[in-house]
Amino acid sequence: NAGVTQTPKFQVLKTGQSMTLQCAQDMNHNSMYWYRQDPGMGLRLIYYSASEGTTDKGEVPNGYNVSRLNKREFSLRLESAAPSQTSVYFCASSAVAGVHEQFFGPGTRLTVL
Amino acid sequence: KNQVEQSPQSLIILEGKNCTLQCNYTVSPFSNLRWYKQDTGRGPVSLTIMTFSENTKSNGRYTATLDADTKQSSLHITASQLSDSASYICVVITNTGGFKTIFGAGTRLFVKA
Repeated sequence: NAGVTQTPKFQVLKTGQSMTLQCAQDMNHNSMYWYRQDPGMGLRLIYYSASEGTTDKGEVPNGYNVSRLNKREFSLRLESAAPSQTSVYFCASSAVAGVHEQFFGPGTRLTVL
Repeated sequence: KNQVEQSPQSLIILEGKNCTLQCNYTVSPFSNLRWYKQDTGRGPVSLTIMTFSENTKSNGRYTATLDADTKQSSLHITASQLSDSASYICVVITNTGGFKTIFGAGTRLFVKA
Protein backbone atom coordinates (compact mmCIF):
# COMPACT_ATOMS: atom_id res chain seq x y z
CA ASN A 1 0.00 0.00 0.00
CA ALA A 2 1.34 3.42 -0.98
CA GLY A 3 -0.85 5.27 1.56
CA VAL A 4 -1.27 8.90 0.49
CA THR A 5 0.60 10.06 -2.59
CA GLN A 6 1.01 13.62 -3.87
CA THR A 7 2.26 15.05 -7.13
CA PRO A 8 4.32 17.01 -7.86
CA LYS A 9 6.91 17.07 -5.07
CA PHE A 10 8.24 20.51 -6.04
CA GLN A 11 6.85 23.29 -8.21
CA VAL A 12 7.87 26.83 -9.07
CA LEU A 13 5.25 29.15 -10.52
CA LYS A 14 5.15 32.74 -11.65
CA THR A 15 2.55 35.08 -10.22
CA GLY A 16 -0.74 34.60 -12.05
CA GLN A 17 -0.06 31.09 -13.29
CA SER A 18 -2.40 28.25 -12.44
CA MET A 19 -1.74 24.68 -11.38
CA THR A 20 -3.38 21.65 -9.83
CA LEU A 21 -1.93 19.59 -6.99
CA GLN A 22 -2.93 15.95 -7.13
CA CYS A 23 -3.57 13.64 -4.19
CA ALA A 24 -4.59 9.99 -4.07
CA GLN A 25 -5.08 7.47 -1.26
CA ASP A 26 -5.40 3.70 -1.41
CA MET A 27 -6.77 3.06 2.11
CA ASN A 28 -10.46 3.31 1.14
CA HIS A 29 -10.84 6.35 3.39
CA ASN A 30 -13.96 8.45 3.26
CA SER A 31 -12.41 11.79 4.22
CA MET A 32 -9.63 13.77 2.58
CA TYR A 33 -8.00 17.09 3.42
CA TRP A 34 -5.69 19.76 2.05
CA TYR A 35 -3.39 21.72 4.41
CA ARG A 36 -0.71 24.30 4.02
CA GLN A 37 2.28 24.64 6.35
CA ASP A 38 4.25 27.85 6.65
CA PRO A 39 7.45 28.33 8.70
CA GLY A 40 6.75 28.89 12.40
CA MET A 41 3.05 28.22 12.02
CA GLY A 42 0.86 25.20 12.55
CA LEU A 43 -0.75 23.41 9.65
CA ARG A 44 -3.85 25.20 8.41
CA LEU A 45 -6.77 23.50 6.75
CA ILE A 46 -7.61 24.80 3.28
CA TYR A 47 -10.47 22.49 2.25
CA TYR A 48 -11.69 19.07 3.20
CA SER A 49 -14.03 16.44 1.83
CA ALA A 50 -15.83 14.47 4.50
CA SER A 51 -17.09 11.98 1.95
CA GLU A 52 -17.15 11.44 -1.78
CA GLY A 53 -19.28 14.12 -3.42
CA THR A 54 -18.89 16.72 -0.66
CA THR A 55 -16.35 19.48 -0.07
CA ASP A 56 -16.17 22.16 2.63
CA LYS A 57 -14.04 25.20 3.31
CA GLY A 58 -11.43 25.10 6.01
CA GLU A 59 -9.61 27.91 7.73
CA VAL A 60 -7.85 29.46 4.68
CA PRO A 61 -9.81 28.65 1.47
CA ASN A 62 -9.34 31.94 -0.41
CA GLY A 63 -7.46 31.54 -3.69
CA TYR A 64 -8.02 27.78 -3.87
CA ASN A 65 -10.54 25.36 -5.33
CA VAL A 66 -10.86 21.62 -4.82
CA SER A 67 -12.36 18.64 -6.58
CA ARG A 68 -13.16 15.27 -5.04
CA LEU A 69 -12.82 13.33 -8.27
CA ASN A 70 -13.76 9.98 -6.72
CA LYS A 71 -13.24 8.24 -3.40
CA ARG A 72 -9.48 7.94 -4.00
CA GLU A 73 -8.58 11.33 -5.43
CA PHE A 74 -8.78 14.90 -4.13
CA SER A 75 -7.16 17.73 -6.09
CA LEU A 76 -6.31 21.30 -5.12
CA ARG A 77 -6.26 24.04 -7.74
CA LEU A 78 -4.64 27.45 -7.66
CA GLU A 79 -6.33 29.52 -10.37
CA SER A 80 -4.03 32.55 -10.20
CA ALA A 81 -1.02 31.94 -8.00
CA ALA A 82 0.23 34.67 -5.66
CA PRO A 83 3.52 34.89 -3.70
CA SER A 84 1.47 34.52 -0.47
CA GLN A 85 0.66 30.98 -1.60
CA THR A 86 4.31 29.95 -1.36
CA SER A 87 4.13 27.10 1.14
CA VAL A 88 4.32 23.37 1.66
CA TYR A 89 1.03 21.66 0.87
CA PHE A 90 -0.01 18.43 2.52
CA CYS A 91 -2.84 16.14 1.59
CA ALA A 92 -4.26 13.79 4.22
CA SER A 93 -6.98 11.18 4.54
CA SER A 94 -8.89 9.48 7.34
CA ALA A 95 -11.58 6.85 7.66
CA VAL A 96 -14.04 9.31 9.24
CA ALA A 97 -13.54 13.08 9.53
CA GLY A 98 -12.78 14.32 13.03
CA VAL A 99 -12.74 10.84 14.56
CA HIS A 100 -9.94 8.70 13.18
CA GLU A 101 -6.28 9.49 12.73
CA GLN A 102 -5.23 11.27 9.59
CA PHE A 103 -2.58 9.87 7.28
CA PHE A 104 -0.49 12.49 5.52
CA GLY A 105 1.21 12.51 2.16
CA PRO A 106 4.84 13.59 1.66
CA GLY A 107 3.94 17.16 0.72
CA THR A 108 4.37 19.49 -2.26
CA ARG A 109 6.79 22.38 -1.89
CA LEU A 110 5.41 25.29 -3.94
CA THR A 111 7.22 28.55 -4.66
CA VAL A 112 5.43 31.44 -6.36
CA LEU A 113 7.74 34.12 -7.74
CA LYS B 1 -10.84 31.88 20.50
CA ASN B 2 -9.81 28.27 19.87
CA GLN B 3 -6.06 28.00 20.32
CA VAL B 4 -3.41 25.35 20.89
CA GLU B 5 -0.13 26.47 22.42
CA GLN B 6 2.94 24.28 22.71
CA SER B 7 6.05 24.64 24.79
CA PRO B 8 8.94 24.77 24.58
CA GLN B 9 9.34 26.02 21.02
CA SER B 10 12.52 23.95 20.71
CA LEU B 11 14.49 21.59 22.89
CA ILE B 12 17.92 19.97 22.78
CA ILE B 13 18.58 16.78 24.77
CA LEU B 14 21.26 14.11 24.87
CA GLU B 15 20.59 10.67 23.50
CA GLY B 16 19.20 8.36 26.16
CA LYS B 17 17.60 11.13 28.21
CA ASN B 18 13.87 11.60 28.79
CA CYS B 19 11.91 14.72 27.92
CA THR B 20 8.38 16.12 28.22
CA LEU B 21 6.63 18.40 25.77
CA GLN B 22 3.64 20.51 26.79
CA CYS B 23 0.39 21.44 25.07
CA ASN B 24 -2.23 23.84 26.45
CA TYR B 25 -5.49 24.42 24.62
CA THR B 26 -8.53 26.65 24.86
CA VAL B 27 -10.61 24.66 22.36
CA SER B 28 -14.24 24.10 23.22
CA PRO B 29 -16.15 21.89 22.89
CA PHE B 30 -13.44 19.25 23.01
CA SER B 31 -13.68 16.11 20.90
CA ASN B 32 -10.21 14.57 20.91
CA LEU B 33 -6.51 15.45 21.14
CA ARG B 34 -3.73 14.08 18.96
CA TRP B 35 0.02 14.13 18.93
CA TYR B 36 1.89 13.90 15.64
CA LYS B 37 5.59 13.50 14.84
CA GLN B 38 6.90 15.28 11.77
CA ASP B 39 10.36 14.52 10.43
CA THR B 40 12.04 17.25 8.38
CA GLY B 41 10.68 17.27 4.85
CA ARG B 42 8.00 14.67 5.57
CA GLY B 43 4.32 14.65 6.40
CA PRO B 44 3.16 14.29 10.03
CA VAL B 45 2.67 10.80 11.44
CA SER B 46 0.12 10.09 14.17
CA LEU B 47 1.48 9.03 17.58
CA THR B 48 -1.63 9.03 19.81
CA ILE B 49 -5.29 10.01 19.84
CA MET B 50 -7.09 10.63 23.16
CA THR B 51 -10.73 11.31 23.86
CA PHE B 52 -12.18 13.14 26.85
CA SER B 53 -12.30 10.03 29.03
CA GLU B 54 -8.70 8.94 28.42
CA ASN B 55 -5.92 10.45 30.51
CA THR B 56 -2.95 8.36 29.37
CA LYS B 57 -2.03 6.64 26.13
CA SER B 58 1.25 5.05 25.13
CA ASN B 59 2.87 4.22 21.82
CA GLY B 60 6.21 2.55 22.45
CA ARG B 61 8.54 5.09 24.09
CA TYR B 62 5.95 7.84 23.66
CA THR B 63 3.39 8.45 26.42
CA ALA B 64 0.74 11.14 26.13
CA THR B 65 -1.30 12.45 29.05
CA LEU B 66 -4.47 14.51 29.02
CA ASP B 67 -6.04 16.62 31.77
CA ALA B 68 -9.36 17.74 30.32
CA ASP B 69 -10.15 19.83 33.42
CA THR B 70 -7.08 22.05 33.07
CA LYS B 71 -6.99 21.65 29.26
CA GLN B 72 -3.42 20.45 29.25
CA SER B 73 -1.64 17.58 27.56
CA SER B 74 1.92 16.38 27.62
CA LEU B 75 4.02 14.03 25.51
CA HIS B 76 6.76 12.18 27.37
CA ILE B 77 9.59 10.56 25.42
CA THR B 78 11.57 7.91 27.26
CA ALA B 79 15.19 6.97 26.53
CA SER B 80 15.44 9.28 23.54
CA GLN B 81 17.09 8.17 20.30
CA LEU B 82 18.65 10.17 17.49
CA SER B 83 15.66 9.26 15.33
CA ASP B 84 13.38 11.14 17.75
CA SER B 85 14.76 14.41 16.35
CA ALA B 86 11.65 15.92 14.75
CA SER B 87 8.82 18.36 15.31
CA TYR B 88 6.03 17.22 17.61
CA ILE B 89 2.63 18.69 16.92
CA CYS B 90 -0.35 18.82 19.26
CA VAL B 91 -3.75 18.89 17.56
CA VAL B 92 -7.16 19.41 19.14
CA ILE B 93 -10.41 18.50 17.40
CA THR B 94 -13.66 20.28 18.15
CA ASN B 95 -17.00 19.19 16.75
CA THR B 96 -19.80 21.73 16.64
CA GLY B 97 -22.01 20.41 13.85
CA GLY B 98 -18.91 20.04 11.70
CA PHE B 99 -15.48 19.18 12.96
CA LYS B 100 -12.66 21.70 13.19
CA THR B 101 -8.98 20.88 13.59
CA ILE B 102 -6.70 23.25 15.51
CA PHE B 103 -2.96 22.66 15.18
CA GLY B 104 -0.27 23.83 17.53
CA ALA B 105 2.90 25.31 16.03
CA GLY B 106 4.92 22.35 17.25
CA THR B 107 7.98 21.72 19.41
CA ARG B 108 11.24 21.13 17.56
CA LEU B 109 13.24 18.40 19.34
CA PHE B 110 16.93 17.85 18.68
CA VAL B 111 18.52 14.70 20.12
CA LYS B 112 22.32 14.81 20.20
CA ALA B 113 24.76 11.93 20.52
